[in-house]
Amino acid sequence: EIVLTQSPDFQSVTPKEKVTITCRASQSIGSSLHWYQQKPDQSPKLLIKYASQSISGVPSRFSGSGSGTDFTLTINSLEAEDAAAYYCHQSSSLPRTFGQGTKLEIK
Amino acid sequence: EVQLVESGGGLVQPGGSLRLSCAASGFTFSDHYMDWVRQAPGKGLEWVGRTRNKANSYTTEYAASVKGRFTISRDDSKNSLYLQMNSLKTEDTAVYYCARLSYGYCDYWGQGTLVTVSS
Repeated sequence: EIVLTQSPDFQSVTPKEKVTITCRASQSIGSSLHWYQQKPDQSPKLLIKYASQSISGVPSRFSGSGSGTDFTLTINSLEAEDAAAYYCHQSSSLPRTFGQGTKLEIK
Repeated sequence: EVQLVESGGGLVQPGGSLRLSCAASGFTFSDHYMDWVRQAPGKGLEWVGRTRNKANSYTTEYAASVKGRFTISRDDSKNSLYLQMNSLKTEDTAVYYCARLSYGYCDYWGQGTLVTVSS
């Protein structure tokens, strides 16, 4: 099973800051890494597919990078509505696995 | 518009059974693989299992934590996905989401249904 480890677990940030969340895989997964945003009491929403590919309707301040075992989600110029938990997810092999999540709090 | 609507959650005693449903609309259900993902209260996301489409013989995969207890099925004529859960344990308490797969990733999720396993 591929283990995904995110950092940090929690971050308190101010609006307009730049935020970086990392996800490390226990073995190489190529670009088979996707990012989701989950706001309180909502279902997860796809933000980035295949490490760096944008999703229609997702604000351009969200971007992804990386390949192999190290991946990054970047949020440029954070907005108050970005308060949420963020999860990475691998589709390289079964069982599918998720990172433990990163909770973003807006100050 | 793609819609996934789960139902069937509720309170069940340990050792009991429950069947969840997921009604799909707004896309060609029969073309897609479908996943179940769960989230225990205050915790992260956990993949439960998958059903492939008819072209791939409706084969299924399960997480080790539910294998032998849970069964995923689908009825393409009803645009519906199911999760039969038997021998339920307290640690199965979670919100259960169905999700559509496109090219390997879950692109749409339902709103979830809460399953509580407690005596």
